Parts: sequence; structure tokens; C-alpha cells
Amino acid sequence: EAGVAQSPRYKIIEKRQSVAFWCNPISGHATLYWYQQILGQGPKLLIQFQNNGVVDDSQLPKDRFSAERLKGVDSTLKIQPAKLEDSAVYLCASSSSPGLAGGWELFFGEGSRLTVL
Amino acid sequence: AQKITQTQPGMFVQEKEAVTLDCTYDTSDQSYGLFWYKQPSSGEMIFLIYQGSYDEQNATEGRYSLNFQKARKSANLVISASQLGDSAMYFCAMRELGRGFKTIFGAGTRLFVKA
Repeated sequence: EAGVAQSPRYKIIEKRQSVAFWCNPISGHATLYWYQQILGQGPKLLIQFQNNGVVDDSQLPKDRFSAERLKGVDSTLKIQPAKLEDSAVYLCASSSSPGLAGGWELFFGEGSRLTVL
Repeated sequence: AQKITQTQPGMFVQEKEAVTLDCTYDTSDQSYGLFWYKQPSSGEMIFLIYQGSYDEQNATEGRYSLNFQKARKSANLVISASQLGDSAMYFCAMRELGRGFKTIFGAGTRLFVKA
């Protein structure tokens, strides 16, 4: 079974430029998460999708960040314009729907490391 | 409010000894899951252990056990017989059924295992 795929792994941009990250979850996983992890901190939830609908985006800075999950499969996270404080690792995770038989675990991709100069 | 608190920024443990990493949580949901993930310096997130809110017994996975005290809203991770390879960041997380499976993480604890 293929894992969660993310690209690019690394990206360096200057402030005020734009960047996009892509995530392909594990096949069949309905829930997809984007987290921002600043160095030395825990992952912060930016947005959560259930199929192609948004469940939670309360911590997404909507003036500069946007995300979509067309057709309920892969997802794109965009930052425009980027700020210095956006330097972080952007983690994508997916999961199936929890039930008595399990399905509670989140599976993570390797992350996309963004450096904003 | 939904929250995960890890009060130990860093912990030291001697190799082969046991260590407990603390985690407290806050939720109004009755159905939730609690997790621990390990993040070594390579950056990958490694799932360690899971405890359901309705599970009466503490979860165990090899050298990892989760000390679940529901009334205190705590979910501490116990690592027995620490190994040098256990040096990493450890994150406690909670997933709530009532919030569309929203999953949040704590700030983490960095564990250092000494030889």
C-alpha cells in the first residue's frame, strides 16, 4: 500500500512570492489534514477535509493561505504572498473513518519544508 | 475547549531505564482517541500507540504503554527499557469523533536517552 505522497520536499522562496504544495493521500482515505510545523513546535492544524468538503479551517490564515481537495482525492495548499513566519514544514496526513475496528490512526507524508527569505 | 498539554519541554533518561512523558487533554466530546507519535530528527511522524476513550484497559505496544486516566484527562506515555534510538520528539494527539475527527497535537516533549 502506497503511503501519503507530498511534493515538493523542499522549497526556498523570497517573501511575497507564492508557493504551492501537493498531497496525495492513501487510497480510500476520506479525511485529509494539512498541518504547519514550525521548528521545535508541535504540528498546528491548518485545514481538514472530509472527502472534498472542509471540516475545519479555523486556523488557516485565509488572507494568504488557500487549500482545495478537488474530487475528494489529492489536495493542494497554496501560500500567496508568503511571509518570513511561514517558514515551516507542511505536513499532510490522511486517515480512514474511525470505527470499532480501528481506523483512528493518522498516516503522515514526509512533509514539505518551506524556507522564506 | 479542545486542547492538548505537554508540560515537559525536555526529558533525560538513562539507557535501559523507564520514562514517563506527560499529556493532559481537554474535550467535551465523549468519543475520542488519544495517540502518541514519535518524530526523530529525520522529521518523519511515527505512530506509536492509540487509546480509545471507551477502552477500559491501558493500551500497550511492545515497550510503549499508555497510562490512561479518564477522570484526570491524562494520557501519559511510558517507555520501558529506554534505548538510544528513543531519543526524539514525542507528540501527544487527540482525535474527536464529534468534531468530524478533528485531530490536534501537543507542543511535544524532547526525550534524550543517555548512554
